[in-house]
Amino acid sequence: EAQVTQNPRYLITVTGKKLTVTCSQNMNHEYMSWYRQDPGLGLRQIYYSMNVEVTDKGDVPEGYKVSRKEKRNFPLILESPSPNQTSLYFCASTPWQEQGPQHFGDGTRLSIL
Amino acid sequence: GQNIDQPTEMTATEGAIVQINCTYQTSGFNGLFWYQQHAGEAPTFLSYNVLDGLEEKGRFSSFLSRSKGYSYLLLKELQMKDSASYLCAVMDSNYQLIWGAGTKLIIKP
Repeated sequence: EAQVTQNPRYLITVTGKKLTVTCSQNMNHEYMSWYRQDPGLGLRQIYYSMNVEVTDKGDVPEGYKVSRKEKRNFPLILESPSPNQTSLYFCASTPWQEQGPQHFGDGTRLSIL
Repeated sequence: GQNIDQPTEMTATEGAIVQINCTYQTSGFNGLFWYQQHAGEAPTFLSYNVLDGLEEKGRFSSFLSRSKGYSYLLLKELQMKDSASYLCAVMDSNYQLIWGAGTKLIIKP
């Protein structure tokens, strides 16, 4: 089954404790991206990657890092999480540069205390 | 700046028709997407318009007017399961997706 898998689905943690949210897709898609979704603000892109070893900042990259060492994986890293990073996060992939419907993961709800 | 406007919330009756509007101002245009999102779930793709006109898919249709920077999503024969948020997103000249904040649709029996 074609899917985008995110882990964990839920996480409550404390300020400053490094965390990683994993994202994996089994559709051989080149393009992957990370979004955060906050009430009233819609989806905002954090980082995106057009292929292996190619990553670019989206609209709200501060406080986040990503890597794309393999085509299928695109982890999101919060080196020193802060409460303003409490949000719902989605990973998404498309076959090419956003020129098609995005396949979303189920989301990760992060709470930073 | 780039901007997508949608109504925050709409209410409709089961079995009726509802039209959700989306206006946009973006740096260039490479297509407009509509997604459905149930509370706490991931968005799912509904439609894509890149040329002016109406695209029909079952109970859902989407219309685009590029000259007016305007689109709408039309939902017919509303069902309770259509209660969700509907997200409008425009791809700009850099092929970046700009998202609206979404329209929460409430269906009443």
